[in-house]
Amino acid sequence: QVQLVQSGAEVKKPGASVTVSCKTSGYTFSSYGITWVRQAPGQGLEWMAWLSANNGNTNYAQKFQGRVTMTTDTSTSTAYMELRSLRSDDTAVYYCARLVYTYYNMDVWGTGTTVSVSS
Amino acid sequence: DIQMTQSPSSLSASVGDRVSITCRAAQYIGKYVNWYQQKPGKAPRLLIYAASSLQGGVPSRFSGSGSGTDFTLTISSLQSEDFATYYCQQSYSTLWTFGQGTKVEIK
Repeated sequence: QVQLVQSGAEVKKPGASVTVSCKTSGYTFSSYGITWVRQAPGQGLEWMAWLSANNGNTNYAQKFQGRVTMTTDTSTSTAYMELRSLRSDDTAVYYCARLVYTYYNMDVWGTGTTVSVSS
Repeated sequence: DIQMTQSPSSLSASVGDRVSITCRAAQYIGKYVNWYQQKPGKAPRLLIYAASSLQGGVPSRFSGSGSGTDFTLTISSLQSEDFATYYCQQSYSTLWTFGQGTKVEIK
């Protein structure tokens, strides 16, 4: 079955960078996109970015422009999200999700990665 | 960014009740709305895509309607497993946004 398994929890200091991985299985990686969504404690969902696994094209929310980079390793069907210059308000659970191009919906979600930013 | 405004922000209902959640877009978005369910500590789950298409494996008591700027998620007969938070999401523009969420609680 389709699975997206994310890397483990991270604790970072302000100003550092974090890279979260999202290993996919059970489908043809290049036929879908990957998107990243985060959720701060007690808050709603916030879309960050999406990437076409077919051609590597990316689209980032304005809020994260210049601070986030999405990449993929097609040999392992894994997506990566790097967030730089971390602040305390970046503390959140970060989810990857498979993106279906028809109406751009997120049909399968990853396991979630907790990123804590604290001095 | 296209703002998505959900209402109500929370509601209390009983098992068997019919529940409706609305989502209003700040501008025209056609049918580019998806609905998700999230339970505490869990990843979101896709319920409805393209405003009214039921995702595979989702019970038929869930339905979606609307187009343009006004959208509705309806649960025809609320079940115990449906107590959760629901989010709409627009994918019309290149910058996607979620509604703020509607928490459905037990009355």
